[in-house]
Amino acid sequence: QVQLVDSGGGVVQTGGSLRLSCAASGFTFSSCGMHWVRQAPGKGLEWVAFIRYDGGNNYYADSVKGRFTISRDNSKNTLYLQMNTLRADDTAVYYCAKEGGVAAHIFDFWGQGTLVTVSS
Amino acid sequence: DIQMTQSPSSVSASVGDRVTITCRASQGISSWLAWYQQKPGKAPKLLIYTASSLQSGVPSRFSGSGSGTDFTLTISSLQPEDFATYYCQQANSFPFTFGGGTKVEIK
Repeated sequence: QVQLVDSGGGVVQTGGSLRLSCAASGFTFSSCGMHWVRQAPGKGLEWVAFIRYDGGNNYYADSVKGRFTISRDNSKNTLYLQMNTLRADDTAVYYCAKEGGVAAHIFDFWGQGTLVTVSS
Repeated sequence: DIQMTQSPSSVSASVGDRVTITCRASQGISSWLAWYQQKPGKAPKLLIYTASSLQSGVPSRFSGSGSGTDFTLTISSLQPEDFATYYCQQANSFPFTFGGGTKVEIK
Protein backbone atom coordinates (compact mmCIF):
# COMPACT_ATOMS: atom_id res chain seq x y z
CA GLN A 1 0.00 0.00 0.00
CA VAL A 2 1.10 3.57 -0.62
CA GLN A 3 2.93 5.10 2.30
CA LEU A 4 4.47 8.56 2.63
CA VAL A 5 6.38 9.39 5.81
CA ASP A 6 7.26 13.04 6.41
CA SER A 7 10.13 14.02 8.68
CA GLY A 8 12.58 16.82 9.43
CA GLY A 9 10.33 19.39 11.03
CA GLY A 10 11.24 21.27 14.17
CA VAL A 11 11.78 24.68 15.71
CA VAL A 12 14.07 27.05 13.85
CA GLN A 13 14.88 30.73 14.25
CA THR A 14 13.82 33.38 11.76
CA GLY A 15 16.29 33.41 8.88
CA GLY A 16 17.33 29.83 9.50
CA SER A 17 17.17 26.72 7.32
CA LEU A 18 15.59 23.29 7.51
CA ARG A 19 15.35 20.30 5.20
CA LEU A 20 12.24 18.16 5.14
CA SER A 21 12.15 14.60 3.84
CA CYS A 22 9.37 12.35 2.62
CA ALA A 23 10.08 8.62 2.39
CA ALA A 24 7.86 6.88 -0.15
CA SER A 25 6.91 3.24 -0.50
CA GLY A 26 4.22 1.05 -2.02
CA PHE A 27 4.30 2.60 -5.50
CA THR A 28 6.76 3.36 -8.29
CA PHE A 29 8.15 6.59 -6.88
CA SER A 30 10.31 7.30 -9.94
CA SER A 31 7.19 7.46 -12.14
CA CYS A 32 5.21 9.96 -10.05
CA GLY A 33 5.24 13.72 -9.69
CA MET A 34 5.30 14.88 -6.09
CA HIS A 35 4.14 17.94 -4.19
CA TRP A 36 4.56 19.72 -0.89
CA VAL A 37 1.46 21.30 0.66
CA ARG A 38 1.40 23.21 3.94
CA GLN A 39 -1.15 24.25 6.53
CA ALA A 40 -0.56 27.04 9.02
CA PRO A 41 -2.03 26.45 12.49
CA GLY A 42 -5.82 26.74 12.33
CA LYS A 43 -5.71 27.75 8.66
CA GLY A 44 -6.43 26.22 5.27
CA LEU A 45 -4.26 24.36 2.81
CA GLU A 46 -1.58 26.03 0.69
CA TRP A 47 0.21 24.31 -2.18
CA VAL A 48 3.98 24.92 -1.93
CA ALA A 49 5.91 23.12 -4.66
CA PHE A 50 5.87 20.42 -7.35
CA ILE A 51 8.58 18.26 -8.88
CA ARG A 52 8.17 16.13 -11.97
CA TYR A 53 8.82 12.37 -11.81
CA ASP A 54 12.34 12.79 -13.20
CA GLY A 55 13.28 15.86 -11.17
CA GLY A 56 12.67 18.32 -13.97
CA ASN A 57 10.16 21.16 -14.31
CA ASN A 58 9.86 22.34 -10.72
CA TYR A 59 7.16 24.84 -9.76
CA TYR A 60 6.77 26.94 -6.62
CA ALA A 61 4.24 29.13 -4.90
CA ASP A 62 5.23 32.79 -5.07
CA SER A 63 5.39 32.86 -1.26
CA VAL A 64 8.37 30.47 -1.25
CA LYS A 65 10.02 31.06 -4.64
CA GLY A 66 13.73 31.77 -4.28
CA ARG A 67 13.81 30.46 -0.70
CA PHE A 68 12.62 26.85 -0.97
CA THR A 69 13.95 24.10 -3.24
CA ILE A 70 12.15 20.86 -3.98
CA SER A 71 14.25 17.87 -4.99
CA ARG A 72 14.11 14.10 -5.09
CA ASP A 73 16.36 11.05 -5.01
CA ASN A 74 14.64 8.30 -6.98
CA SER A 75 17.29 5.79 -5.93
CA LYS A 76 16.22 6.35 -2.31
CA ASN A 77 12.49 6.86 -2.98
CA THR A 78 12.74 10.13 -1.10
CA LEU A 79 11.40 13.63 -1.67
CA TYR A 80 12.99 16.71 -0.09
CA LEU A 81 12.16 20.32 0.62
CA GLN A 82 15.10 22.58 1.43
CA MET A 83 13.79 25.65 3.21
CA ASN A 84 16.06 28.68 3.59
CA THR A 85 15.58 32.19 4.96
CA LEU A 86 12.63 31.01 6.99
CA ARG A 87 10.05 33.50 8.18
CA ALA A 88 7.39 33.41 10.88
CA ASP A 89 4.68 32.93 8.26
CA ASP A 90 6.34 29.69 7.11
CA THR A 91 5.19 28.12 10.38
CA ALA A 92 2.95 25.24 9.33
CA VAL A 93 2.48 21.53 9.06
CA TYR A 94 4.13 20.43 5.83
CA TYR A 95 2.70 17.48 3.94
CA CYS A 96 4.21 15.67 0.99
CA ALA A 97 1.61 14.45 -1.46
CA LYS A 98 1.68 12.12 -4.42
CA GLU A 99 0.47 13.25 -7.81
CA GLY A 100 -2.79 11.56 -8.71
CA GLY A 101 -2.56 8.44 -10.81
CA VAL A 102 -5.95 8.99 -12.45
CA ALA A 103 -5.72 12.73 -13.01
CA ALA A 104 -2.94 15.26 -13.07
CA HIS A 105 -2.27 17.76 -10.32
CA ILE A 106 -4.47 16.23 -7.69
CA PHE A 107 -3.10 14.74 -4.49
CA ASP A 108 -4.23 11.16 -4.04
CA PHE A 109 -2.02 10.18 -1.09
CA TRP A 110 -0.55 12.34 1.64
CA GLY A 111 2.12 11.99 4.29
CA GLN A 112 1.21 12.45 7.94
CA GLY A 113 2.79 15.89 8.00
CA THR A 114 5.72 17.40 9.86
CA LEU A 115 5.47 20.60 11.89
CA VAL A 116 7.83 23.50 11.19
CA THR A 117 7.84 26.30 13.74
CA VAL A 118 9.76 29.47 12.94
CA SER A 119 10.34 31.64 15.97
CA SER A 120 12.19 34.83 16.66
CA ASP B 1 -3.60 33.01 -9.76
CA ILE B 2 -6.99 31.32 -9.72
CA GLN B 3 -8.96 32.12 -6.56
CA MET B 4 -11.24 29.44 -5.13
CA THR B 5 -14.17 30.56 -2.99
CA GLN B 6 -16.07 28.03 -0.89
CA SER B 7 -19.41 28.49 0.79
CA PRO B 8 -20.57 28.21 3.42
CA SER B 9 -17.53 28.40 5.67
CA SER B 10 -19.35 26.22 8.17
CA VAL B 11 -22.57 24.24 8.30
CA SER B 12 -24.39 22.56 11.18
CA ALA B 13 -26.22 19.39 10.21
CA SER B 14 -27.65 16.22 11.69
CA VAL B 15 -26.94 12.60 10.86
CA GLY B 16 -28.99 11.69 7.81
CA ASP B 17 -29.12 15.24 6.43
CA ARG B 18 -28.22 16.13 2.87
CA VAL B 19 -25.33 18.60 2.81
CA THR B 20 -24.22 20.69 -0.16
CA ILE B 21 -21.00 22.69 -0.36
CA THR B 22 -20.22 25.01 -3.23
CA CYS B 23 -16.92 26.13 -4.72
CA ARG B 24 -16.45 28.92 -7.24
CA ALA B 25 -13.33 29.52 -9.32
CA SER B 26 -12.29 33.04 -10.32
CA GLN B 27 -11.86 31.82 -13.90
CA GLY B 28 -12.90 28.76 -15.87
CA ILE B 29 -11.11 25.55 -14.91
CA SER B 30 -13.11 23.08 -17.03
CA SER B 31 -13.51 20.01 -14.79
CA TRP B 32 -10.10 20.27 -13.13
CA LEU B 33 -11.40 20.31 -9.59
CA ALA B 34 -10.86 18.03 -6.62
CA TRP B 35 -12.48 17.75 -3.20
CA TYR B 36 -10.74 16.68 0.01
CA GLN B 37 -11.90 15.79 3.52
CA GLN B 38 -9.75 16.61 6.52
CA LYS B 39 -10.30 15.55 10.11
CA PRO B 40 -8.54 17.28 13.02
CA GLY B 41 -4.88 16.38 13.29
CA LYS B 42 -4.97 14.29 10.13
CA ALA B 43 -3.84 14.72 6.54
CA PRO B 44 -6.45 15.52 3.92
CA LYS B 45 -8.07 12.67 2.03
CA LEU B 46 -9.03 12.80 -1.64
CA LEU B 47 -12.76 12.32 -2.21
CA ILE B 48 -13.55 13.53 -5.72
CA TYR B 49 -11.38 14.35 -8.76
CA THR B 50 -12.15 15.88 -12.16
CA ALA B 51 -15.21 17.44 -10.52
CA SER B 52 -17.37 14.32 -10.40
CA SER B 53 -15.20 11.17 -10.29
CA LEU B 54 -15.31 9.28 -7.00
CA GLN B 55 -11.93 8.25 -5.63
CA SER B 56 -11.57 4.52 -5.03
CA GLY B 57 -12.84 3.51 -1.61
CA VAL B 58 -14.90 6.65 -1.01
CA PRO B 59 -18.55 5.98 -0.10
CA SER B 60 -21.12 6.64 -2.81
CA ARG B 61 -22.99 9.12 -0.60
CA PHE B 62 -20.34 11.61 -1.72
CA SER B 63 -20.84 13.15 -5.15
CA GLY B 64 -19.50 16.08 -7.09
CA SER B 65 -20.79 18.13 -9.98
CA GLY B 66 -20.07 21.22 -12.01
CA SER B 67 -17.73 22.57 -14.63
CA GLY B 68 -16.26 25.88 -15.65
CA THR B 69 -16.43 28.07 -12.55
CA ASP B 70 -19.14 26.56 -10.32
CA PHE B 71 -18.88 23.27 -8.49
CA THR B 72 -20.74 21.36 -5.81
CA LEU B 73 -19.92 18.62 -3.32
CA THR B 74 -22.97 16.79 -1.97
CA ILE B 75 -23.18 14.36 0.91
CA SER B 76 -26.50 12.62 0.38
CA SER B 77 -27.00 11.29 3.91
CA LEU B 78 -24.55 12.60 6.49
CA GLN B 79 -22.90 9.95 8.65
CA PRO B 80 -21.11 10.46 12.00
CA GLU B 81 -17.70 9.93 10.37
CA ASP B 82 -18.39 12.73 7.85
CA PHE B 83 -18.04 15.54 10.38
CA ALA B 84 -14.88 17.19 9.12
CA THR B 85 -13.59 20.10 7.05
CA TYR B 86 -13.88 19.94 3.28
CA TYR B 87 -11.68 21.71 0.75
CA CYS B 88 -11.92 22.19 -2.99
CA GLN B 89 -8.76 22.52 -5.11
CA GLN B 90 -8.26 23.64 -8.68
CA ALA B 91 -5.95 21.38 -10.68
CA ASN B 92 -6.11 23.44 -13.88
CA SER B 93 -2.92 25.46 -13.61
CA PHE B 94 0.02 26.40 -11.38
CA PRO B 95 -0.09 27.58 -8.68
CA PHE B 96 -2.68 25.09 -7.49
CA THR B 97 -5.07 26.75 -5.08
CA PHE B 98 -7.54 25.60 -2.46
CA GLY B 99 -10.79 26.98 -1.23
CA GLY B 100 -10.91 28.28 2.33
CA GLY B 101 -12.65 25.18 3.64
CA THR B 102 -16.11 24.26 4.89
CA LYS B 103 -16.44 22.83 8.39
CA VAL B 104 -19.32 20.38 8.75
CA GLU B 105 -20.40 20.34 12.38
CA ILE B 106 -22.89 18.37 14.39
CA LYS B 107 -26.18 20.18 14.98
